[in-house]
Amino acid sequence: RKEVEQDPGPFNVPEGATVAFNCTYSNSASQSFFWYRQDCRKEPKLLMSVYSSGNEDGRFTAQLNRASQYISLLIRDSKLSDSATYLCVVGSSYKLIFGSGTRLLVRP
Amino acid sequence: EPEVTQTPSHQVTQMGQEVILRCVPISNHLYFYWYRQILGQKVEFLVSFYNNEISEKSEIFDDQFSVERPDGSNFTLKIRSTKLEDSAMYFCASTPDTNTGELFFGEGSRLTVL
Repeated sequence: RKEVEQDPGPFNVPEGATVAFNCTYSNSASQSFFWYRQDCRKEPKLLMSVYSSGNEDGRFTAQLNRASQYISLLIRDSKLSDSATYLCVVGSSYKLIFGSGTRLLVRP
Repeated sequence: EPEVTQTPSHQVTQMGQEVILRCVPISNHLYFYWYRQILGQKVEFLVSFYNNEISEKSEIFDDQFSVERPDGSNFTLKIRSTKLEDSAMYFCASTPDTNTGELFFGEGSRLTVL
């Protein structure tokens, strides 16, 4: 089983749509969970941290289910500028592991 | 806003040559990382570094690779004898605190091995 697994997509959605991405991880001892965003040929940038209680940042909501070793990201009211690859990142203090990413394309 | 800077942005080298990629982490950060991304593939962990020693390394980080913090600001990745499959984007990252875990990435150094 891959350490961090994501559906590669692409998810092709119209502007204004709601889209959800999922991620599973294999190491139950993982302590840190994040969603990063990567634009084509650019460095990854933090989108949001993920907490057990769930957290929201504007149009973005992240959830963590430790029992199922599952993380989700919900994007509401998609914008053209949301088009990117979304990376699920899981790990511990000295080692964060990236998933392969889910590609999102938002069309006009 | 403070940022991680990497040089060179692009390096082309012949197979078998040594390459040094340089990074200047954000000044108050204590934990440093190298990741690589082969074109079209995922971001892969190479190594983490704290208190002047390696904290963790991946299977990719074999004897051909080494890291060093030669002074108070630079953090380098050396590849002793490059192979074709070392061609990738190499990202340096730093963080002030592993509890929060947010990694701040540089823009990357693209290495092309011919």
